[in-house]
Amino acid sequence: NAGVTQTPKFRVLKTGQSMTLLCAQDMNHEYMYWYRQDPGMGLRLIHYSVGEGTTAKGEVPDGYNVSRLKKQNFLLGLESAAPSQTSVYFCASSYYYEQFFGPGTRLTVL
Amino acid sequence: AQSVTQLDSHVSVSEGTPVLLRCNYSSSYSPSLFWYVQHPNKGLQLLLKYTSAATLVKGINGFEAEFKKSETSFHLTKPSAHMSDAAEYFCVVSKNIKEAAGNKLTFGGGTRVLVKP
Repeated sequence: NAGVTQTPKFRVLKTGQSMTLLCAQDMNHEYMYWYRQDPGMGLRLIHYSVGEGTTAKGEVPDGYNVSRLKKQNFLLGLESAAPSQTSVYFCASSYYYEQFFGPGTRLTVL
Repeated sequence: AQSVTQLDSHVSVSEGTPVLLRCNYSSSYSPSLFWYVQHPNKGLQLLLKYTSAATLVKGINGFEAEFKKSETSFHLTKPSAHMSDAAEYFCVVSKNIKEAAGNKLTFGGGTRVLVKP
């Protein structure tokens, strides 16, 4: 039982490049989330999903897209990376109130 | 609207001494409140939750928190710090327990705890 896993763990991009972050959970949770963590700001919600095939915007969605084609996977895409997107990205899933977090992806955009 | 303020960005304690992490919240509703812990290079883990039952809540690893509505506070305490408590702690508010399963979590800025031997 791996819980929530994220791929990759680290990535360095140049401005304008694109990439996709993968989140996978094996707990059969309906809800999945993508957050970004910046120093002193806690976690801020980017997008979330309440079930397979659904997505919705969170607090800071601009510059990101997501897809939930399978219940266990939640993908976060950056179409044209910007230095302001340098951050640590966390995926989480939940069945009820407790959210289970992945280990994070550290992204640097030069 | 809801918000969370963690009053200390850093706390330094000696091993074996008490730990106090302060959290104040603002909410138009009777909120649900949580404390999460993040160890270095790890994801967040739930420590404890308040969901309008007992105001003194016990969590894992000897932590507890007291909900005080009159003070809009939810401070986290531990009687005796251990080296393994060195981590970052987040106070989190939700509108109510049902909405905690959606998108309605608001995170505080975090308190980084240093434990000195």
